[in-house]
Amino acid sequence: EPEVTQTPSHQVTQMGQEVILRCVPISNHLYFYWYRQILGQKVEFLVSFYNNEISEKSEIFDDQFSVERPDGSNFTLKIRSTKLEDSAMYFCASTFNWDSYYGYTFGSGTRLTVV
Amino acid sequence: RKEVEQDPGPFNVPEGATVAFNCTYSNSASQSFFWYRQDCRKEPKLLMSVYSSGNEDGRFTAQLNRASQYISLLIRDSKLSDSATYLCVVIPSGGSYIPTFGRGTSLIVHP
Repeated sequence: EPEVTQTPSHQVTQMGQEVILRCVPISNHLYFYWYRQILGQKVEFLVSFYNNEISEKSEIFDDQFSVERPDGSNFTLKIRSTKLEDSAMYFCASTFNWDSYYGYTFGSGTRLTVV
Repeated sequence: RKEVEQDPGPFNVPEGATVAFNCTYSNSASQSFFWYRQDCRKEPKLLMSVYSSGNEDGRFTAQLNRASQYISLLIRDSKLSDSATYLCVVIPSGGSYIPTFGRGTSLIVHP
């Protein structure tokens, strides 16, 4: 079964440092997403990406965040200057249809710990 | 009012029991609905989409009630392996397709 791959599985970084979280979506999917989940809280949408540009983003996705699909396979989330409150599990997801009729396929996540 | 609301539980049931979860949503223009399952510290995994006419997949039945703006998930003959958190996901229509997740309902199935 095709899967979404995320690396690293766990990253510890110091406050103020930049981090890049990486994802390889399912190859024939067209829509890509980043979500985050703070421990014990709900999954929150960050950003959606289609046709090499951001299609929607949430209020959480401020200027500290950026996404890129540099080479047609990887999909990255960059946090420029991490804060303690950025500590969370970050999930990448992809889907084939814009209305995600078939649902999203999530990667196994990157646990980001900011110290 | 929260956009997507679920009873957090936990629902503690014996093996073989039937259990039902509800999820209410506030945006009447919502168009797509899903149930996901999330195990502790793992990624959400699609359990089933929810169709207007209701749908069944083995022991799982999903229903949509647009008039009352809720979806439901029924699990029959619960197994120990059904223990997880069940997330309701609602996707609006009309320009924004940002999915909203509920906080999830925790299910514990015990022997």
